[in-house]
Amino acid sequence: DVKVTQSSRYLVKRTGEKVFLECVQDMDHENMFWYRQDPGLGLRLIYFSYDVKMKEKGDIPEGYSVSREKKERFSLILESASTNQTSMYLCASSPGTSDLKTQYFGPGTRLLVL
Amino acid sequence: GQNIDQPTEMTATEGAIVQINCTYQTSGFNGLFWYQQHAGEAPTFLSYNVLDGLEEKGRFSSFLSRSKGYSYLLLKELQMKDSASYLCAVRDRGSNYQLIWGAGTKLIIKP
Repeated sequence: DVKVTQSSRYLVKRTGEKVFLECVQDMDHENMFWYRQDPGLGLRLIYFSYDVKMKEKGDIPEGYSVSREKKERFSLILESASTNQTSMYLCASSPGTSDLKTQYFGPGTRLLVL
Repeated sequence: GQNIDQPTEMTATEGAIVQINCTYQTSGFNGLFWYQQHAGEAPTFLSYNVLDGLEEKGRFSSFLSRSKGYSYLLLKELQMKDSASYLCAVRDRGSNYQLIWGAGTKLIIKP
């Protein structure tokens, strides 16, 4: 079974803090994604990566950055956390172009910024 | 532009059948997905349609009409554990990696 893990299930941070969210997948997937999910809105893509050291902006990259130094790990960084970044953050991975059917999600990190 | 619409909430009775609709507008359709998400958990993949017609998988079926920009998820013999949100997502040909997501339909099952 594909396993996608995220470093924390719940996180509380203060405004202005630098926040790191880590995601690791164990199935050698090329593609990795970071979404945020807010009530009444669909999943919104923040950043994605289709290879090591490669990254592409999604729909809402402002206030975020990412790092992919190793294939299995994709980190989301909030440079200076703000209250409007309080949300559920979901990481996902998918195989390369040979199978674009599914994305596999981690359990999510619920972030509260005070 | 790109847009996906699905009802916000639906209620159904245990043992019954429910149909959750999804309509979409996209410039280059390249597949439609349904995911299930229980409260506080990650979405899990249910079905994928890229051609018109019905795909059946046990109690769940998914239908697609590309000409109408329309899909539905059909759940039969409803069980209490089917209470969850159901997310519709469309892949656009412009980017093979990105999915456009609907806001999800919260399904409440009553005894």
